[in-house]
Amino acid sequence: QVQLQESGPGMVKPSETLSLTCSVSGYSISTGYFWGWIRQPPGKGLEWIGGAYQSGAMLYNPSLKSRLTISLRTSRNQFSLELSSVTAADTAIYYCARLGGGSLGSWAGPWGPGILVTVSS
Amino acid sequence: QAVLTQSLSASGTPGQRVTISCSGSSSNIGNYTVNWYQQLPGAAPKLVIHTDNQRPSGVPDRLSGSKSGTSASLAISGLRSEDEADYYCSTWDDSLNAVVFGGGTKLAVL
Repeated sequence: QVQLQESGPGMVKPSETLSLTCSVSGYSISTGYFWGWIRQPPGKGLEWIGGAYQSGAMLYNPSLKSRLTISLRTSRNQFSLELSSVTAADTAIYYCARLGGGSLGSWAGPWGPGILVTVSS
Repeated sequence: QAVLTQSLSASGTPGQRVTISCSGSSSNIGNYTVNWYQQLPGAAPKLVIHTDNQRPSGVPDRLSGSKSGTSASLAISGLRSEDEADYYCSTWDDSLNAVVFGGGTKLAVL
């Protein structure tokens, strides 16, 4: 059974870089699928961030692309998210997930439990 | 403002059949498959339908998905109290070059 778990700081200062890691168990991320991130501001809807494939292919939300890096660390069976120059608008629950649906990585499942990241000084 | 349009709320009584709709356009639902997620209170979303009408392992067959043109629907039959959750539709949008979500529908079981 595939399981994912997010980790990282729960608070980041404005203008700094948000960094999160997702640890995967029960499946080798080098086998296949995109692996990515979705976020949800408290009390609001879902926003797709993007994903990465073991071949090096990337899918990034264009609205975040200039600030975004998603990387796979296959030796640790982990992948990461870095979002630079954060503002209060980046405050959200961040979920990591396996992304299916072929080259568009359009569906997500399973998901990690999520981690709340607050951007505040 | 979500790209895909969903009703804010829906409701039904135990045993009833409820349908949740999701409306889009030719740049998204009209050309790409639709996925549905269930988010129970305080929990992460869970994929319940992918590729328009495919149920992942473990999802009961009381849940079913369909699509016609630029709209999609999630039907839940034999409604149960544990179905009370937020439901989101999603698909790829080729004008935005991104996966997009609906705003979510809160389902109440009365």
